[in-house]
Amino acid sequence: AQSVAQPEDQVNVAEGNPLTVKCTYSVSGNPYLFWYVQYPNRGLQFLLKYITGDNLVKGSYGFEAEFNKSQTSFHLKKPSALVSDSALYFCAVRDMMNNDMRFGAGTRLTVKP
Amino acid sequence: EADIYQTPRYLVIGTGKKITLECSQTMGHDKMYWYQQDPGMELHLIHYSYGVNSTEKGDLSSESTVSRIRTEHFPLTLESARPSHTSQYLCATRDSRSGNTIYFGEGSWLTVV
Repeated sequence: AQSVAQPEDQVNVAEGNPLTVKCTYSVSGNPYLFWYVQYPNRGLQFLLKYITGDNLVKGSYGFEAEFNKSQTSFHLKKPSALVSDSALYFCAVRDMMNNDMRFGAGTRLTVKP
Repeated sequence: EADIYQTPRYLVIGTGKKITLECSQTMGHDKMYWYQQDPGMELHLIHYSYGVNSTEKGDLSSESTVSRIRTEHFPLTLESARPSHTSQYLCATRDSRSGNTIYFGEGSWLTVV
């Protein structure tokens, strides 16, 4: 069965510093990987996805993520964090073998001025 | 992007009341989902549908029921609400023919007193 893990419940960074939100996955076939962001009292918004091709995927709001097959990771990154990036971030994986979508437990990102 | 509308956005009801949370989408996506999420916590899939007249229970047992009589609508009903049902309910859709991305509505916050 496929799964994703977000090892950090909370990530704190200073504004202007680079940020990384970690995600590792486990699937039986080729993974489709996603990142979503959730602002308070809102639904989840799609940020970016990896299906195939370049391991570095660029998404919305200046975010990018790097797919690493050997480490089974898909970490979300941004070169320079903004206070407005503070939100809850979810990693998700879809296993093409069984078509299920699994979400991680979420990581709360706090960017301090 | 998918246009997904959830109503009501916020609701406070008494114990024992019947409530239906509406979810409608305008993109003709065949797959629809309901997730339950406590504030700032992980998502739990409670129901999904692969098309009209198709409904399945998700990973998390729920006392709610769903129906999919039309492609556009996927309402969720609680016959007798209890305080333990207090949560956020997120509706989502996916077009299996052309897309891998799940899109979310803004959520319905339910408080049962």
